[in-house]
Amino acid sequence: NAGVMQNPRHLVRRRGQEARLRCSPMKGHSHVYWYRQLPEEGLKFMVYLQKENIIDESGMPKERFSAEFPKEGPSILRIQQVVRGDSAAYFCASSFSGQGANNEQFFGPGTRLTVL
Amino acid sequence: QQQVKQSPQSLIVQKGGISIINCAYENTAFDYFPWYQQFPGKGPALLIAIRPDVSEKKEGRFTISFNKSAKQFSLHIMDSQPGDSATYFCAASFYTNAGKSTFGDGTTLTVKP
Repeated sequence: NAGVMQNPRHLVRRRGQEARLRCSPMKGHSHVYWYRQLPEEGLKFMVYLQKENIIDESGMPKERFSAEFPKEGPSILRIQQVVRGDSAAYFCASSFSGQGANNEQFFGPGTRLTVL
Repeated sequence: QQQVKQSPQSLIVQKGGISIINCAYENTAFDYFPWYQQFPGKGPALLIAIRPDVSEKKEGRFTISFNKSAKQFSLHIMDSQPGDSATYFCAASFYTNAGKSTFGDGTTLTVKP
């Protein structure tokens, strides 16, 4: 019974390149959340998706960042033209539903992005 | 605007002692308050959670105390062990309405043997 899977675990990019982070939710989970964690800080919400829909992207920077959760396959967080300030750990979480006890979010191990 | 404030930033406790971490929230619409434990290089893992209809919840050595009027809640770790050394995050969200969790900035706990 695999948990939330994220890949790659570590990603190094040069300024101006694109970064693609993947998240496979737990089996049966249809809700996905992306969070960013800077060193010595807490997790900051970025985006909440259900299959094929973005529900809340209030924490997502307006430029260069996008997210999707297609009908088939993993959720993707895409960062275009990365800058050094994008260096952080990006965590994905999933939940069975969005309400009640089934709203519990299970976190993946994270992708640590380093921008050179 | 930081909606969940957590303190202290770091905490050192002797083995067998009690670790206490505090959080305060602003949005009275929050109705679900989980605590997460995170080890270096790992993702956060849910430790224990509480809803505002109770003032205390205990699971093993971990207890959440909740004060709705003061908009504060705290995590108590009894008989702290070196294996409890980790970063602890409080969070707040909505039990009946899906969406994001708002996290505190974390407390790094070190339990000395």
